[in-house]
This record gives sequence, C-alpha cells and structure tokens, in this order.
Amino acid sequence: IAGITQAPTSQILAAGRRMTLRCTQDMRHNAMYWYRQDLGLGLRLIHYSNTAGTTGKGEVPDGYSVSRANTDDFPLTLASAVPSQTSVYFCASSDETSGPNEQFFGPGTRLTVL
Amino acid sequence: GQNIDQPTEMTATEGAIVQINCTYQTSGFNGLFWYQQHAGEAPTFLSYNVLDGLEEKGRFSSFLSRSKGYSYLLLKELQMKDSASYLCAVQDSNYQLIWGAGTKLIIKP
Repeated sequence: IAGITQAPTSQILAAGRRMTLRCTQDMRHNAMYWYRQDLGLGLRLIHYSNTAGTTGKGEVPDGYSVSRANTDDFPLTLASAVPSQTSVYFCASSDETSGPNEQFFGPGTRLTVL
Repeated sequence: GQNIDQPTEMTATEGAIVQINCTYQTSGFNGLFWYQQHAGEAPTFLSYNVLDGLEEKGRFSSFLSRSKGYSYLLLKELQMKDSASYLCAVQDSNYQLIWGAGTKLIIKP
C-alpha cells in the first residue's frame, strides 16, 4: 500500500510555463488537499476537495487550479508559473467519514520557478 | 483573523523532557492536531485533542485548554531521532486546518 504518491519529486520550471503536479492516493479517502510550505510560514491551503466531483478554494488559490474527476487523483495545475510559486507542495488526504480526520501527507514536490 | 503561535526553535538534551507550546485564535474550533516533520519529509500525525485535558501516547502527550486557546506537546525521554519540526494545527468552523509555522526542536547529546 503506497498511501499517497506525488510526482514529480522536484522540478525546475521557467516562468510562464504550465505545470501539473500529480497526486494519487489508494486509501479511498473522500477528502484531498493541496498545501504549499514556505520557510517561516505554516502550511497554507491552496485548494481542497471534500469528495469526487467537488473542489473548493483555500487560503492561497490564485494562480492554481485543481480537478477531482475520481476519488484517487487530485492534480494541481499552475497555468503560468511565476517565481513566487517556488515552494514545496504537499498533497494530503483524510477520511472525513470517521475519526478525528487526521490528514495523511504525500512526500511533497519541490518546485523552483526561475 | 486566524492565528496560531508557537516558538520558532527550541533546544533540549537527549533523555530530558521538553514542552512545546501553541496558542491559537481561530474562527471556531473543531480540534487541535500536532504533527511531526523531519527535515525534507512530509508531516506525520502525532496527536489530536478536542476536549480539555491531557492525551498520552507513549513518550508523547498533548494537552488542551479551549478556554485559554492553548495547547502543549510534551516529549519525554528525548531521543536524537526526535529532532524535527513540530506543527500545531487547529481545525476551524469549516473543518479546515489552520497551521502554525512549526517549532524546530534540536536535540543535543
């Protein structure tokens, strides 16, 4: 059982390019999240999805889009990358049908926009 | 606004006890989480408090006072592998997690 996988592990991207970060979970969790983590700041929520077919905006959604076509996959797209989007991106999932709803995190994608 | 405060960095000695504090001001409260994050890795879940009091799990304990907007994570019998960042997060009225910036814990032999 892999849990949550993310791809790529790291990427260097030219400003203005389009980029999709992939996230897949095999735990059948209904909720999924995308965060960015920057030095000195807490994790900030970009977008989330409470169930397949629905998405919502988090704290810092501008410049990012997501889709949730099925339970397992939750890709994050940067339409036209800018240097301020240089960050570590974490995908997470949780089972909101039971328990304390702890979030399980993928290994992260380190993105550098030049 | 919503705010989670925790110390930026703490240092402790192997075998000792350390307490990491977290204070919060959020729109609503549906539980407080502690996560551990080793450098270059993903956060992993440590504990969850929704009622006042102490939750103990092995060497780690977490305390919550909702009236004071305060929690702490207590780590006993510190080991070198406990060197990591510890993240406090509060679940708000929309069931979204609001995260603190994390406390980097340095363990010295």
